[in-house]
Amino acid sequence: GAGVSQTPSNKVTEKGKYVELRCDPISGHTALYWYRQSLGQGPEFLIYFQGTGAADDSGLPNDRFFAVRPEGSVSTLKIQRTERGDSAVYLCASSRSGTGTTEAFFGQGTRLTVV
Amino acid sequence: AQRVTQPEKLLSVFKGAPVELKCNYSYSGSPELFWYVQYSRQRLQLLLRHISRESIKGFTADLNKGETSFHLKKPFAQEEDSAMYYCALSGGYNKLIFGAGTRLAVHP
Repeated sequence: GAGVSQTPSNKVTEKGKYVELRCDPISGHTALYWYRQSLGQGPEFLIYFQGTGAADDSGLPNDRFFAVRPEGSVSTLKIQRTERGDSAVYLCASSRSGTGTTEAFFGQGTRLTVV
Repeated sequence: AQRVTQPEKLLSVFKGAPVELKCNYSYSGSPELFWYVQYSRQRLQLLLRHISRESIKGFTADLNKGETSFHLKKPFAQEEDSAMYYCALSGGYNKLIFGAGTRLAVHP
């Protein structure tokens, strides 16, 4: 199908390592969002892209987290010096635009486990 | 502060019983409210949004600004309704603020 695709679906890494999580949005969707979902919680906003630029990165917890979307399509969430507290499901969503109430379509998520 | 509260972690009912999943919010301004659902092993998907005033799969939700609530209701639950339900608030440009979710379990 042509839904939002996230890779990998699962990632286990050692504390202190660097990881990259990839999101491939629905073709033509200009808005892209990253969320983090910890166990027993709802998704928590991390960052929003409109096109290539990060329009709102207020949800990034600290400077170990960074995201890019260089060509306005695929996005990569990068986490440096991972900590056990970073373990969560990372969700990506895209929508046709970032205005009004256009529906956000979610990927299946990447489950990150830091050991 | 913008916040969404879902007071129940689990709601367990029998098939055919009425269902009400509670959602309260805190928001300064005119909110846009949504219900998202996640069925087992599936991705999060939109169920309904308040501006559409629609009924999806027999579910409805009415925005009550006086009580700052957006409860999800269905008169007769079905087993296939079993899922995680998340209430969400749009904080502008579709940036969603989610509640912690309620697991609905419908028993035969």
